[in-house]
Amino acid sequence: EADIYQTPRYLVIGTGKKITLECSQTMGHDKMYWYQQDPGMELHLIHYSYGVNSTEKGDLSSESTVSRIRTEHFPLTLESARPSHTSQYLCASSGFGGVKTQYFGPGTRLLVL
Amino acid sequence: DQQVKQNSPSLSVQEGRISILNCDYTNSMFDYFLWYKKYPAEGPTFLISISSIKDKNEDGRFTVFLNKSAKHLSLHIVPSQPGDSAVYFCAATYRGSQGNLIFGKGTKLSVKP
Repeated sequence: EADIYQTPRYLVIGTGKKITLECSQTMGHDKMYWYQQDPGMELHLIHYSYGVNSTEKGDLSSESTVSRIRTEHFPLTLESARPSHTSQYLCASSGFGGVKTQYFGPGTRLLVL
Repeated sequence: DQQVKQNSPSLSVQEGRISILNCDYTNSMFDYFLWYKKYPAEGPTFLISISSIKDKNEDGRFTVFLNKSAKHLSLHIVPSQPGDSAVYFCAATYRGSQGNLIFGKGTKLSVKP
């Protein structure tokens, strides 16, 4: 199982603030993902990356941005948080080649007031 | 339009009995399916997967069955334990989707002692 970490675990912040959600994995996985999930709903893919300097938008449109400067690190940034951004954000990674199993971090619960 | 559907939002089972969680899909291109388990305030944990070339895969107390003609899969947990109480997500992907997973909305399983 992959070791994948997310910080902070919980964040309460005011409208208009800039935030960065951190995600790191220690397995050397090339692919990384960000999902957004609301209670009782499916996980929606908002960003993914095939490797360093690769970033793609997912199925769900998001005002957030991501970067992948190092293999192990895939941070997500919101330039100006709004109450509509309140959600759980989950980071995942998957291994090489045809391996399809994604391993998830513990998630960040974001509340924007 | 949901491509992966979990039509039962919740399921309650007695400890020691069988739990059966169901999942239907609409995209005939899906060729790999996964089940994840999620506790509140944690990230999903990978449970078991199945390729479309198989109709059954077993791992300990967990068995996944795939019926391609019906576009249906199910997760059987035998015997059910109170620690199995969680939300179970079905996910699917296909060759050419870059490994991206499509998730259902989840089924909340409660196993009563």
